[in-house]
Amino acid sequence: GAVVSQHPSWVICKSGTSVKIECRSLDFQATTMFWYRQFPKQSLMLMATSNEGSKATYEQGVEKDKFLINHASLTLSTLTVTSAHPEDSSFYICSASPAGSSYNSPLHFGNGTRLTVT
Amino acid sequence: SQKIEQNSEALNIQEGKTATLTCNYTNYSPAYLQWYRQDPGRGPVFLLLIRENEKEKRKERLKVTFDTTLKQSLFHITASQPADSATYLCALDMDMRFGAGTRLTVKP
Repeated sequence: GAVVSQHPSWVICKSGTSVKIECRSLDFQATTMFWYRQFPKQSLMLMATSNEGSKATYEQGVEKDKFLINHASLTLSTLTVTSAHPEDSSFYICSASPAGSSYNSPLHFGNGTRLTVT
Repeated sequence: SQKIEQNSEALNIQEGKTATLTCNYTNYSPAYLQWYRQDPGRGPVFLLLIRENEKEKRKERLKVTFDTTLKQSLFHITASQPADSATYLCALDMDMRFGAGTRLTVKP
């Protein structure tokens, strides 16, 4: 149980275009999902916390107008990288915790999306 | 601001030995700490959680300790196998801020 699916697993886009990444909890409902970015050989950097039905909370230094997050349902959160540039190329990962779980429940991660901007 | 440090970027050990990974933190007192495993090109997978009032937690060949005085957690893999080769990450609390990770390589 507790499977998180991320789509697409990889995407190549041209500079200036926008890319949408989906994160779905397949067998549980998630009121909160997290979005991370990971550069090669570096750790996960929390970008934002996505709450169902409300605005996402962005970490310091993350441009909310560039990384649009929508958490429209209890099983789906999307991250849209707008006007992508080569420096946005990275590995984007989402995670979720089942609704109603205790505060210290582990997170379940998707398998990430490799974004390459040419 | 809180800071999380994992002792080394890479650790190489021989099969059968015990791997010990360290996670230190500063400017924070987490209620719990989690350890995850990440394989290349994949998302992290949860391994163990230890609460501040627990000194030790075990799961099969894995053992985690938590010393709130030293602000440190140790992660041990006993009888290591090549299949244990991966990057191991520690994370604090609900904020889920991760350390940089330690890339473990177990050589046959």
